[in-house]
Amino acid sequence: NAGVTQTPKFRVLKTGQSMTLLCAQDMNHEYMYWYRQDPGMGLRLIHYSVGEGTTAKGEVPDGYNVSRLKKQNFLLGLESAAPSQTSVYFCASSSTNYNQPQHFGDGTRLSIL
Amino acid sequence: AQSVTQPDIHITVSEGASLELRCNYSYGATPYLFWYVQSPGQGLQLLLKYFSGDTLVQGIKGFEAEFKRSQSSFNLRKPSVHWSDAAEYFCAVGVVRGSYIPTFGRGTSLIVHP
Repeated sequence: NAGVTQTPKFRVLKTGQSMTLLCAQDMNHEYMYWYRQDPGMGLRLIHYSVGEGTTAKGEVPDGYNVSRLKKQNFLLGLESAAPSQTSVYFCASSSTNYNQPQHFGDGTRLSIL
Repeated sequence: AQSVTQPDIHITVSEGASLELRCNYSYGATPYLFWYVQSPGQGLQLLLKYFSGDTLVQGIKGFEAEFKRSQSSFNLRKPSVHWSDAAEYFCAVGVVRGSYIPTFGRGTSLIVHP
């Protein structure tokens, strides 16, 4: 079972470059999320989506954009990367059943030079 | 708004010793509560969850947690720690706020000495 798959796993960018992180889930989940994880900060929600075609801002949305054109995919974009965006990014998905947990991908380690 | 506090950034225990990781939450009603574990280089994996009913919840890998409403706590316990339990542990509270957006604590890093 694939679950939640993130690509790429690692990436190094130069300041000002753009890139897109892809998240794919095969569990037919309605909800999808993007988090960033930094030392001592836990997980911080960047953006989330409650269904195909919908997105909403989380706790730290600045500098990021997202799209959910297909139910199974949730894309995270960095238009002009900054060193402060160096982090590990996690995607998660969950069903609309509130007693079910989130399912996480293995993360994307992104370094901005 | 809900919040989650994990007061211990690091905890060090000897293999075979008992473990308790603390989690306190702030929310007006009975929350949905979760504990996740993150091994190095991996995503988060669910250990256990609480929604209602029995306040002592059993999870995977021999972990359990107890919901105490009076203390707004959901502490994670294990009677005998194994070296493979060394990882980052996250407590999360999920509430219905139009949509399901859980809040995570900052995590506790568990170090296990042989």
